[in-house]
Amino acid sequence: GAVVSQHPSRVICKSGTSVKIECRSLDFQATTMFWYRQFPKQSLMLMATSNEGSKATYEQGVEKDKFLINHASLTLSTLTVTSAHPEDSSFYICSVATGGNTEAFFGQGTRLTVV
Amino acid sequence: AQKVTQAQTEISVVEKEDVTLDCVYETRDTTYYLFWYKQPPSGELVFLIRRNSFDEQNEISGRYSWNFQKSTSSFNFTITASQVVDSAVYFCALLLGDYKLSFGAGTTVTVRA
Repeated sequence: GAVVSQHPSRVICKSGTSVKIECRSLDFQATTMFWYRQFPKQSLMLMATSNEGSKATYEQGVEKDKFLINHASLTLSTLTVTSAHPEDSSFYICSVATGGNTEAFFGQGTRLTVV
Repeated sequence: AQKVTQAQTEISVVEKEDVTLDCVYETRDTTYYLFWYKQPPSGELVFLIRRNSFDEQNEISGRYSWNFQKSTSSFNFTITASQVVDSAVYFCALLLGDYKLSFGAGTTVTVRA
C-alpha cells in the first residue's frame, strides 16, 4: 500500500501563531488527499479534500481562511492552521486515496497543542 | 446522508476472551467499502480489514474475523483470544464514491491481563 508521511508528529505553539503540517505521499502520486481532525476521545471528522493544482474543498463548518490547504505537487499537501487558538488543539491526520480510491492510507498524525 | 454507528462506547475484557465490535451503517449507494481501523494510544490509524459492498463472504484472518450482513447493514468485527496489545480504539468506517471516509464514534477496547 501507499506510504504516507506526516510531519511533525507533535507540535506545541503559542496562541496567535501559525502552524504548518505536511503530508507526503512517498510512493504514490496523489491527486487527492484528505485532512481529518480528531478531538480527544472523539471520532475523526473530515475537514477538507485537498486537490492537486486546484482549491481545496472544505466540509461544512470548517473555516477555509483558518485552515489553509495547499496541494502544489502530486506528493505533498500542507495544512496551515493560521492564528491558532487553544480550541484548535487537536489531532490532525491526512490520508491518501489509492487503487481506484478504494483504499485509504493514513499519515501518522500530528498532535497540535496551542498554549 | 451516510452514517456509521458504533453503539458500544467501551468494552473491557480479560485476556483470552473474545471481543465482538458492532458496526451499523447507512447509505443509499449500492457501491461502497467498509473498513475497520485500530487506533492505539500513539494515535496512528492501523488498517485492519476492508470489504466491498458486493462481497459478503465472511473471513477469518488470524485472530480477526468479520461478519458482513448487507441485509441488516452491519459489519461486525471479532477479535478472538484477545491480548493486552489489542487494547485500542477501534473505528468502523464507510467509503463512498466521493472517496471520503465516514467514521463511527469508535469503541474503546481494554484487555486486562
